[in-house]
Amino acid sequence: SAVISQKPSRDICQRGTSLTIQCQVDSQVTMMFWYRQQPGQSLTLIATANQGSEATYESGFVIDKFPISRPNLTFSTLTVSNMSPEDSSIYLCSVEWAADNEQFFGPGTRLTVL
Amino acid sequence: DQQVKQNSPSLSVQEGRISILNCDYTNSMFDYFLWYKKYPAEGPTFLISISSIKDKNEDGRFTVFLNKSAKHLSLHIVPSQPGDSAVYFCAASTFSGGYNKLIFGAGTRLAVHP
Repeated sequence: SAVISQKPSRDICQRGTSLTIQCQVDSQVTMMFWYRQQPGQSLTLIATANQGSEATYESGFVIDKFPISRPNLTFSTLTVSNMSPEDSSIYLCSVEWAADNEQFFGPGTRLTVL
Repeated sequence: DQQVKQNSPSLSVQEGRISILNCDYTNSMFDYFLWYKKYPAEGPTFLISISSIKDKNEDGRFTVFLNKSAKHLSLHIVPSQPGDSAVYFCAASTFSGGYNKLIFGAGTRLAVHP
């Protein structure tokens, strides 16, 4: 399995500002994923980041709001731009593993927007 | 359109008894189903998966059953232990756009009491 870390673990931000979340993996992986879990809700896929190409965004998510970088096979960042209180969520990164379609998740970043 | 549904938001079980968590899906193209466990302030942890070509997969205390005709799967935990208390997410996988996309249910909070 892969060991995944995220920074920051939590943050409280003012509306209108931006926050960049980092995701580091201890192994080289092809696909990395970014999810959002709003309070009391399920995990929703924001986008998929493949090294060397632009991220693929799911319906309802756009690059201007959630720009993603994937500079190498072990690292990715997600930026939450021009934040509003509705962006208060847990943001999680995950990586795909070869066996049985498993994805392994990082510990998450708990974001509160005031 | 909720493609993966967990209709029970919570479940309470006595220690030593069986816990049964249920999940329904609508898309017959899903090829893998996975169960994740999530503790507060942690990312989801992979538990067990099942291929759509099987009807049962067992790993220690955890067994997943798949009924394709009913588009229903269940996770059985026996015997249940207090450490099993967590939120359990059902997820379905489909290959789309060059990667395996996971779609999650809303989760069921399991409480195992002495």
